[in-house]
Amino acid sequence: DTGVSQDPRHKITKRGQNVTFRCDPISEHNRLYWYRQTLGQGPEFLTYFQNEAQLEKSRLLSDRFSAERPKGSFSTLEIQRTEQGDSAMYLCASSPRKETQYFGPGTRLLVL
Amino acid sequence: AQSVTQLDSQVPVFEEAPVELRCNYSSSVSVYLFWYVQYPNQGLQLLLKYLSGSTLVKGINGFEAEFNKSQTSFHLRKPSVHISDTAEYFCAVMVGGGGADGLTFGKGTHLIIQP
Repeated sequence: DTGVSQDPRHKITKRGQNVTFRCDPISEHNRLYWYRQTLGQGPEFLTYFQNEAQLEKSRLLSDRFSAERPKGSFSTLEIQRTEQGDSAMYLCASSPRKETQYFGPGTRLLVL
Repeated sequence: AQSVTQLDSQVPVFEEAPVELRCNYSSSVSVYLFWYVQYPNQGLQLLLKYLSGSTLVKGINGFEAEFNKSQTSFHLRKPSVHISDTAEYFCAVMVGGGGADGLTFGKGTHLIIQP
């Protein structure tokens, strides 16, 4: 069990740039989740995949955000035209069942 | 929609003393309940979860929690804390059964262990 991995661990970008994060789930986990955690807050659910299908999207996921899981394995989260308010920790989790989510270490994004 | 309230943002406790971290939830449907721990610059680790059955749930690192449906609470307890328990603790709720999969988290409680 290698755990959930995320890349990069840290990203600094300028406002208006696009960024893409990658999540590699635990192998054979068919469920994959993205959350966002801002400073001093708990994580907030963004979106959920079962295999390659995106089944749930939070209203927090604006049009500038897009997530994919093309082959049902790794996933990417892209933010277009970043804003300072996008600065946060982006967490990925995977699970074999909905009630057992394993979290990765997160990608910390800073938008200048 | 579900919501979670963690009543204390910080809880200072002396080492080897007992601790209780409070969590209340709101939901119109049945829920699953969770406690996660987050150490600095790390992801979340599951401490314990309540799905159904016995209302007293035991987890890792000596933690336990009790589900109280009438008070809509799921408080976390440990009889004797250690310096290594210093971390951020999050209570979370999820719609039970075949409902939505996303977790709804509280704002967290920072547990500070004093020597």
